Amino acid sequence: EDQVTQSPEALRLQEGESSSLNCSYTVSGLRGLFWYRQDPGKGPEFLFTLYSAGEEKEKERLKATLTKKESFLHITAPKPEDSATYLCAVRGTSYDKVIFGPGTSLSVIP
Amino acid sequence: DTAVSQTPKYLVTQMGNDKSIKCEQNLGHDTMYWYKQDSKKFLKIMFSYNNKELIINETVPNRFSPKSPDKAHLNLHINSLELGDSAVYFCASSQNSATNEKLFFGSGTQLSVL
Repeated sequence: EDQVTQSPEALRLQEGESSSLNCSYTVSGLRGLFWYRQDPGKGPEFLFTLYSAGEEKEKERLKATLTKKESFLHITAPKPEDSATYLCAVRGTSYDKVIFGPGTSLSVIP
Repeated sequence: DTAVSQTPKYLVTQMGNDKSIKCEQNLGHDTMYWYKQDSKKFLKIMFSYNNKELIINETVPNRFSPKSPDKAHLNLHINSLELGDSAVYFCASSQNSATNEKLFFGSGTQLSVL
């Protein structure tokens, strides 16, 4: 069965302290891996799509990377406004739906 | 202009009642979705419509009935509400079902069943 897990469940960083969030996936043929950001009381907001192992995407302080079994979201010198829940999702070749992981709740302390 | 808007934002109701959530998108997208986010923050797809046609119907009780009057609107009607229906329901849209990875979400409807 296709599934997505994320770790850690929660992460607390000091402002400027770089770190990485992990997304591990099991899917029968990856069609795409996606990262979303969700702020409290709001819907998820799209960040990146990665399609194949070795691919990398960057946006401001965020960089997403992809291997055959996992993806990392690297956060460089985070700021308090980066505090949010980060969701990973995958779409496999055998179905049309996107499966989301449980998310990592990131708190960046000034 | 809000791209995907859903109403109401909050819905508090008694067990056994029937309620509806409305969703509209002004992005010109062909595909719309309903997702449920439980207390553990898992987002699970419930339904997907492409140009008013149902294309994804997950294992959801028959009490949940989506309706798409046109491709810009997707409403969710829930009959005989139960305590376990309490969750946040998100509407979303994508350009089409073939490229459904970039989803645009509404701000959610927090449903509380008492």
